[in-house]
Amino acid sequence: DTGVSQNPRHKITKRGQNVTFRCDPISEHNRLYWYRQTLGQGPEFLTYFQNEAQLEKSRLLSDRFSAERPKGSFSTLEIQRTEQGDSAMYLCASSFRTNEKLFFGSGTQLSVL
Amino acid sequence: GENVEQHPSTLSVQEGDSAVIKCTYSDSASNYFPWYKQELGKGPQLIIDIRSNVGEKKDQRIAVTLNKTAKHFSLHITETQPEDSAVYFCAASRTGNNDMRFGAGTRLTVKP
Repeated sequence: DTGVSQNPRHKITKRGQNVTFRCDPISEHNRLYWYRQTLGQGPEFLTYFQNEAQLEKSRLLSDRFSAERPKGSFSTLEIQRTEQGDSAMYLCASSFRTNEKLFFGSGTQLSVL
Repeated sequence: GENVEQHPSTLSVQEGDSAVIKCTYSDSASNYFPWYKQELGKGPQLIIDIRSNVGEKKDQRIAVTLNKTAKHFSLHITETQPEDSAVYFCAASRTGNNDMRFGAGTRLTVKP
């Protein structure tokens, strides 16, 4: 499979709990992006990695959010002390070059109760 | 920063008719404009894109037009089929910027 893979597909958690999502990009893509999408809206940029370096973060990415991409391969997005407002679809995308086609995974749907 | 507006938010057409979705952008430096199709429970899938050095691009039943002066671009789907039913997003970005901005989406329904 050459697509972007995200796990888990769905996550239900209680407010205050920590959650972690994983993204495996297309293998030859060194650029990896995290987006958040709420119902009826387009994806909103959260953060970007080039190889293992996190080069850009949106102001949407509060202190409770942290993303890593060790070894420049897969990436994880962790949300600490989840709030109901964190409920959304978290999308991962990868690309071969900047300002180029983004290939998205199927996302992780987070529900915070 | 870039702001992308998309219209209409919903669009219903009869099978075989054409569908047109329009987007405007604010950053005159934007030079890359992709269109994505998102089906229920899936991530957005790129269907066509255009760069600012081209005014029109076509791929079978799908075409995109770009007017740089007016800062708007449009998606045209001809001979629509029920499987075209989905949410479509336009987006804009520029060289050196990793923050691709998306429109709010258009829910297209093709009635058989």
